[in-house]
Amino acid sequence: GEDVEQSLFLSVREGDSSVINCTYTDSSSTYLYWYKQEPGAGLQLLTYIFSNMDMKQDQRLTVLLNKKDKHLSLRIADTQTGDSAIYFCAVPKAAGNKLTFGGGTRVLVKP
Amino acid sequence: DVKVTQSSRYLVKRTGEKVFLECVQDMDHENMFWYRQDPGLGLRLIYFSYDVKMKEKGDIPEGYSVSREKKERFSLILESASTNQTSMYLCASTPGQANSPLHFGNGTRLTVT
Repeated sequence: GEDVEQSLFLSVREGDSSVINCTYTDSSSTYLYWYKQEPGAGLQLLTYIFSNMDMKQDQRLTVLLNKKDKHLSLRIADTQTGDSAIYFCAVPKAAGNKLTFGGGTRVLVKP
Repeated sequence: DVKVTQSSRYLVKRTGEKVFLECVQDMDHENMFWYRQDPGLGLRLIYFSYDVKMKEKGDIPEGYSVSREKKERFSLILESASTNQTSMYLCASTPGQANSPLHFGNGTRLTVT
């Protein structure tokens, strides 16, 4: 089955860039997602990338996909205190709409 | 905007009680999901439903059941709550198209004592 791995914690200074990494095992994925969970809230879709793309940029967010290495990353430029949250990568299973989530990376932005 | 509403934000129940967690979505989505979230384990799929009265087991269905009598409502049932079911429970929905993103509710934090 699908296995999705993320590091647990990232600390970054306000104004610096953050890079959150994710590796997965199933190569049949189409869309790959990043979700953000703020304290006390559910998950919100942050961005996504289609598997035939290498990169997607959306304002301060850049998603990089290395399909050969099955590695997905999310870069947040000019990180702000409001970016402190848990970030989950999510990869669809081979069939249907079920997603496999990574364990989540807690990002702490220090002033 | 899609709204997924979970009826309770916090619940405290005793071991052995029957517990119902309710979830309602207002966008006519075909697919609905129940996940539990535990520190270091991320989100794990308990059950999902792709149509009214249809259900499929996820990765960790043991100790849970579900009910989908109406399209907009998906209930998670703990027949006899146990302390290892203390967790954050997240409901989500998507339309029928493959690879649509999930829309999540705000979660129900259940404590079983």
